[in-house]
Amino acid sequence: GAVVSQHPSWVICKSGTSVKIECRSLDFQATTMFWYRQFPKQSLMLMATSNEGSKATYEQGVEKDKFLINHASLTLSTLTVTSAHPEDSSFYICSATQGAGGANYGYTFGSGTRLTVV
Amino acid sequence: DAKTTQPPSMDCAEGRAANLPCNHSTISGNEYVYWYRQIHSQGPQYIIHGLKNNETNEMASLIITEDRKSSTLILPHATLRDTAVYYCIVSPLLRGTDKLIFGTGTRLQVFP
Repeated sequence: GAVVSQHPSWVICKSGTSVKIECRSLDFQATTMFWYRQFPKQSLMLMATSNEGSKATYEQGVEKDKFLINHASLTLSTLTVTSAHPEDSSFYICSATQGAGGANYGYTFGSGTRLTVV
Repeated sequence: DAKTTQPPSMDCAEGRAANLPCNHSTISGNEYVYWYRQIHSQGPQYIIHGLKNNETNEMASLIITEDRKSSTLILPHATLRDTAVYYCIVSPLLRGTDKLIFGTGTRLQVFP
């Protein structure tokens, strides 16, 4: 089945630094990937849609200059949290699907990255 | 406005069937019912989806009422590993570019 790999699984960084999270589709190509954020005991919140070869589309209220998304290839999307602050500490999750045929399988999610900013 | 309503939490004894309800009274004719679950500190996992017919796969069964205003996800023999948050989502048929929006879900606790 479709596999989405996310790296790192957890990261601790100092306030003011930047952190990059990678999302890879291992056995399929994904022109579109999605990035979510989840705070403790809350549901997943969609942050942005990552489009291969073009700019990401951000949801309302998500700062595009703070959360930089790059989708340079059909198998890799990256999310960079710039100038991270403690309030950015959260669980970040990516997802992708195999395209139009994905309706038969749903979307596949990465295992998530737990970011802690100290 | 939320498109689905689910109970915030449910308990189920191990080995018993877990029946998770979902109300989606405003569902449109072209919208499917999708179910995902999220085990603690992991990414969500696709379970099943359906339009109007009941569906079954190796993980679960999905029962959709005739008027499509509600559905039930059935885990026939719940195990401790089924403890998770279950999300019911209504959406047009998901293609690769469509957003998947999560509600609050039902926290299922399976106990020994």
